[in-house]
Amino acid sequence: KNEVEQSPQNLTAQEGEFITINCSYSVGISALHWLQQHPGGGIVSLFMLSSGKKKHGRLIATINIQEKHSSLHITASHPRDSAVYICAPRMHLAGGGADGLTFGKGTHLIIQP
Amino acid sequence: EAQVTQNPRYLITVTGKKLTVTCSQNMNHEYMSWYRQDPGLGLRQIYYSMNVEVTDKGDVPEGYKVSRKEKRNFPLILESPSPNQTSLYFCASGWPQHFGDGTRLSIL
Repeated sequence: KNEVEQSPQNLTAQEGEFITINCSYSVGISALHWLQQHPGGGIVSLFMLSSGKKKHGRLIATINIQEKHSSLHITASHPRDSAVYICAPRMHLAGGGADGLTFGKGTHLIIQP
Repeated sequence: EAQVTQNPRYLITVTGKKLTVTCSQNMNHEYMSWYRQDPGLGLRQIYYSMNVEVTDKGDVPEGYKVSRKEKRNFPLILESPSPNQTSLYFCASGWPQHFGDGTRLSIL
């Protein structure tokens, strides 16, 4: 079973600050999602990555497959970034078998104006 | 518009009364999955489907059934719901996963 650890669990920051959320997992994976969940409950996939780095606007995600670690960065944070961010590695066994996401417990981010 | 549609969005029901939560996607995705989200436990996978007529258990399949007769639909069936199945349920499809808006289920 893949154990997924996220840190920090809770983070409050001031508008404009650079934010980093970390994720580590215990077994080999094929890819990793970063998800965003707003207070209304809907879930949006921000990134799916299997190597290196991806950037979308002010969001950057990196992954190191060998070290089993990924980070999500938010530059120039804004109050609308306030949400829960969830790391979700994809287990995919070659040749068949289990295929799905396991999830970290999430990071509750609050950006104050 | 590409979307995953779940119905109903909210449901309050009683123990033992069979219910079905529907999920439909319009993106021609082969992969579909059901998750439940509970406070303190986070999201967990219930069942998934790699393609039509191919389904498999996730981490918490007990008390649930699924079917995949057509590519676009993947209903979640609770044949005899119990209070411990009170939860927020999400259907998702494709890679990267596209999530539905969620179904909040309360079983009394």
